[in-house]
Amino acid sequence: DGGITQSPKYLFRKEGQNVTLSCEQNLNHDAMYWYRQDPGQGLRLIYYSQIVNDFQKGDIAEGYSVSREKKESFPLTVTSAQKNPTAFYLCASSTPGHYYGYTFGSGTRLTVV
Amino acid sequence: RKEVEQDPGPFNVPEGATVAFNCTYSNSASQSFFWYRQDCRKEPKLLMSVYSSGNEDGRFTAQLNRASQYISLLIRDSKLSDSATYLCVTLNQAGTALIFGKGTTLSVSS
Repeated sequence: DGGITQSPKYLFRKEGQNVTLSCEQNLNHDAMYWYRQDPGQGLRLIYYSQIVNDFQKGDIAEGYSVSREKKESFPLTVTSAQKNPTAFYLCASSTPGHYYGYTFGSGTRLTVV
Repeated sequence: RKEVEQDPGPFNVPEGATVAFNCTYSNSASQSFFWYRQDCRKEPKLLMSVYSSGNEDGRFTAQLNRASQYISLLIRDSKLSDSATYLCVTLNQAGTALIFGKGTTLSVSS
């Protein structure tokens, strides 16, 4: 079945460490997105990519980095520069034009310990 | 004005009740409107798209009012399984990605 796979489901990071969250899709979607959700809050856009080898900053890109070397993959690195990284991270993909909504992965819950 | 605003609730209703959620948005040029459902600690899932003419899917009815820039979701004959957070979604001002409201929480009790 087609879908989006995020891994790991839970991730614990020590202060000062970089961590990478994986996002893979087999829906043949061109566009991919990373959102962050804090408790009781909406989703906030971190980065998005509409095509391979191209990506754009969203509203809260500081302290994060991404790459889009393959259509299927859009990994997110949470760097030590991100001051408050504990959150629920959601990856999504879509066809161009936003007309059909997004399909989300099941998310990665990151906790700084 | 925030890009998407929703009443956070919670809305507490008995089974069988009819409940309505409203949402206002700021991007008057948006052509994309959706309602998503999010269960606790899960990813959002598309509930329905919202079309200019209004649309219905079983017990759920969505409507769009472009003049007033709001969309609504009506749930009839509420079920226990409808308990979730409902997210209002449209295109951001830059037209580059979908933007999600903070959600309205619904709790249906027996």
